[in-house]
Amino acid sequence: EPEVTQTPSHQVTQMGQEVILRCVPISNHLYFYWYRQILGQKVEFLVSFYNNEISEKSEIFDDQFSVERPDGSNFTLKIRSTKLEDSAMYFCASRDTGGDVQPQHFGDGTRLSIL
Amino acid sequence: ILNVEQSPQSLHVQEGDSTNFTCSFPSSNFYALHWYRWETAKSPEALFVMTLNGDEKKKGRISATLNTKEGYSYLYIKGSQPEDSATYLCAPGGGGADGLTFGKGTHLIIQP
Repeated sequence: EPEVTQTPSHQVTQMGQEVILRCVPISNHLYFYWYRQILGQKVEFLVSFYNNEISEKSEIFDDQFSVERPDGSNFTLKIRSTKLEDSAMYFCASRDTGGDVQPQHFGDGTRLSIL
Repeated sequence: ILNVEQSPQSLHVQEGDSTNFTCSFPSSNFYALHWYRWETAKSPEALFVMTLNGDEKKKGRISATLNTKEGYSYLYIKGSQPEDSATYLCAPGGGGADGLTFGKGTHLIIQP
């Protein structure tokens, strides 16, 4: 069964450094998402992407964050200058289109640790 | 910001017993309700997407019901097995590119 893949599985970065998290969504999907979960808290929506542009973003997704689909397969989340509070599990998800509401399919996540 | 509540927060159930838990969400502007099963160190796995009031969906021993007028959904597991141990998340969400708003989840532990 096709799946969403995320790399790396664990990223350790110094505070203030830039980090790029990578995702390969399911190939025929058209909607892409990033979520995060800070340890002990809820999974939180960050941003959605469709038709090569951001569709929706949450309050968390400030100017430090950006997303890109640089080619036909990858979907990346960049954090420009990382802070300690960016430490979290980051999940990518993708969704098919279709007449009925389709579920979002999640990757295994990238654990981001900011030192 | 949607307020999504799940209860109980955690649940210990004997193997073979049946169990259920609740997801509460705002009933206004409802579009769809998603249930996910999330095992440690794995990705959340989609169980159901429900849209219609009174809807009931089933997948093996797991089923879910939906009440959009009062804003709640129940997830039922019949004859619990150890492999059912996981965190069960619910999330209302719109169609299109709308993000999902997750509850904190119900952490289910099945004891042999």
